[in-house]
Amino acid sequence: QLQLQESGPGLVKPSETLSLTCTVSGGSISSSSYYWGWIRQPPGKGLEWIGSIYYSGSTYYNPSLKSRVTISVDTSKNQFSLKLSSVTAADTAVYYCARHSPTDIVATEWGQGTLVTVSS
Amino acid sequence: DIQMTQSPSSLSASVGDRVTITCRASQGISNYLAWYQQKPGKVPKLLIYAASTLQSGVPSRFSGSGSGTDFTLTISSLQPEDVATYYCQKYNSALQAFGQGTRLEIK
Repeated sequence: QLQLQESGPGLVKPSETLSLTCTVSGGSISSSSYYWGWIRQPPGKGLEWIGSIYYSGSTYYNPSLKSRVTISVDTSKNQFSLKLSSVTAADTAVYYCARHSPTDIVATEWGQGTLVTVSS
Repeated sequence: DIQMTQSPSSLSASVGDRVTITCRASQGISNYLAWYQQKPGKVPKLLIYAASTLQSGVPSRFSGSGSGTDFTLTISSLQPEDVATYYCQKYNSALQAFGQGTRLEIK
């Protein structure tokens, strides 16, 4: 059974770069035509798609975050990562990683989520 | 950018009621529309994709319809365990966007 687990600092200072990693177990990140993505949810608010990476390496980003976001894959570690630069308090959220099916790009498996707080 | 707008933002209904939630896209998205359920304190769960295809394991009281710009999620007979926030999501061209969510409560 596929499992995803987010990891990274729970506290980031304003103007710094938020870095998170999603470790995939129970399946290879490079073996099938899946998309791997990041979604966030500010406390008490709705879901926001951040971006996705195809198993081949193609990336797709939310236009509103595109200038600050980088998603990458490390197949040797079976992980994919998120970097969000120049963070502000508005970036405080629970960050989820997810696997998206190859045909309909919908999130079928999710990590448990990790809260990242932006504060000095 | 395509915007997704859900209505209502919240609703309260009785057990057994038929409940409908609407999602409208600012441009046509064919049937590239999914619905998720998020129970309080839990991870979102995929209910429906391709506008009307039920994800495996999802109760048959949930159904989806629509194409183009207007979509609906229907719960045919509301159950207490359906208390949750529901989100629509568009995914055409590999770019995704969520609606703002609809909070469903039991009256």
